[in-house]
Amino acid sequence: GENVEQHPSTLSVQEGDSAVIKCTYSDSASNYFPWYKQELGKRPQLIIDIRSNVGEKKDQRIAVTLNKTAKHFSLHITETQPEDSAVYFCAADNFNKFYFGSGTKLNVKP
Amino acid sequence: NAGVTQTPKFQVLKTGQSMTLQCAQDMNHEYMSWYRQDPGMGLRLIHYSVGAGITDQGEVPNGYNVSRSTTEDFPLRLLSAAPSQTSVYFCASSSGPNPNQPQHFGDGTRLSIL
Repeated sequence: GENVEQHPSTLSVQEGDSAVIKCTYSDSASNYFPWYKQELGKRPQLIIDIRSNVGEKKDQRIAVTLNKTAKHFSLHITETQPEDSAVYFCAADNFNKFYFGSGTKLNVKP
Repeated sequence: NAGVTQTPKFQVLKTGQSMTLQCAQDMNHEYMSWYRQDPGMGLRLIHYSVGAGITDQGEVPNGYNVSRSTTEDFPLRLLSAAPSQTSVYFCASSSGPNPNQPQHFGDGTRLSIL
């Protein structure tokens, strides 16, 4: 099956700085890569996704890049704000099975 | 439009008991799935369904059964609860899988097995 690794496990940034979270996957057949934000005690919520036929996607302060050759994808958050503090998960869809990374706890210091 | 509804929100069981976690969605989504979330391990897929009458195993299916008799409902059954099944369980649905679509998650069920 697919294996998704996510780094770093914790990330602390100053408000206004950028944050980057990286994920790698093992199976080149995976073709859809969503990112979720989860606040403490809440459900995961989709923040951005990318399909394997696209290299980059941007939505305001959030962007995702995908390198199919290297089998890695990254989440970029610019101009971070305290409300960005949460746990972020990457995932890969491999034949209708979603495999999640272990999560990155982002702390944005005011 | 309630989205994905999970019941109960909390449950405490004794080892060996059985129970069913309920999941219902009102978005006419074909794809539904169950995950467990343990500290530091992200979400792991238990079972999933691509439509009524069709189910398949995910990453960690042992000890759990599912059925999909209607598009709306996707219950998860614990046959004989074990302490290792203590976790937070999330149900999700999407209009996928063809093409892939984002999943919408329920609020989760916090399950403790004593």
